[in-house]
Amino acid sequence: AQRVTQPEKLLSVFKGAPVELKCNYSYSGSPELFWYVQYSRQRLQLLLRHISRESIKGFTADLNKGETSFHLKKPFAQEEDSAMYYCALSGRNKLVFGAGTILRVKS
Amino acid sequence: DVKVTQSSRYLVKRTGEKVFLECVQDMDHENMFWYRQDPGLGLRLIYFSYDVKMKEKGDIPEGYSVSREKKERFSLILESASTNQTSMYLCASSSPVQGRGSAQHFGDGTRLSIL
Repeated sequence: AQRVTQPEKLLSVFKGAPVELKCNYSYSGSPELFWYVQYSRQRLQLLLRHISRESIKGFTADLNKGETSFHLKKPFAQEEDSAMYYCALSGRNKLVFGAGTILRVKS
Repeated sequence: DVKVTQSSRYLVKRTGEKVFLECVQDMDHENMFWYRQDPGLGLRLIYFSYDVKMKEKGDIPEGYSVSREKKERFSLILESASTNQTSMYLCASSSPVQGRGSAQHFGDGTRLSIL
């Protein structure tokens, strides 16, 4: 069965501190993983996908098949990073989402 | 830029009413989806459609139905609204990538309250 687990409902960090949002998945095939972000009063939008191996807004995420993880990281948090973050797993044109993690960056 | 438009941002209905939520996308995407978003539960897939007049159940289809008569439009129907269907409803669309999943584009959402 496809499953995505985001163990933290809320992550609170100070501005300038490193950020790591955890995501673990369960999938029998070759996974394709995404991070989506929803800023306050905005629509849910794609942040990054693992196949692109890109850095968006300073965030990166590496797929670790051995640990079945796809953690989202940023070395120095900024206040504008405060948002809800969802990890998602793709299979057969559907996405399975985790429960989401609220990131609060304090000044 | 992909535009997914949901007809209402806020909607208040009464129990037992038949409720229609409309979604239109302008990028000729084959795939369209309806989710509900609840705190602590994330996004849960209600129904999706790969093509016109095709539909498949998602994870929580009970109490809902859908209609896709045109490629750009995907409607969610609450046959007889109940208070436990009070939620944020999100529509999304995507274009299939051979053998792989593809990123989805979301609308602004409809916050539905059932009284």
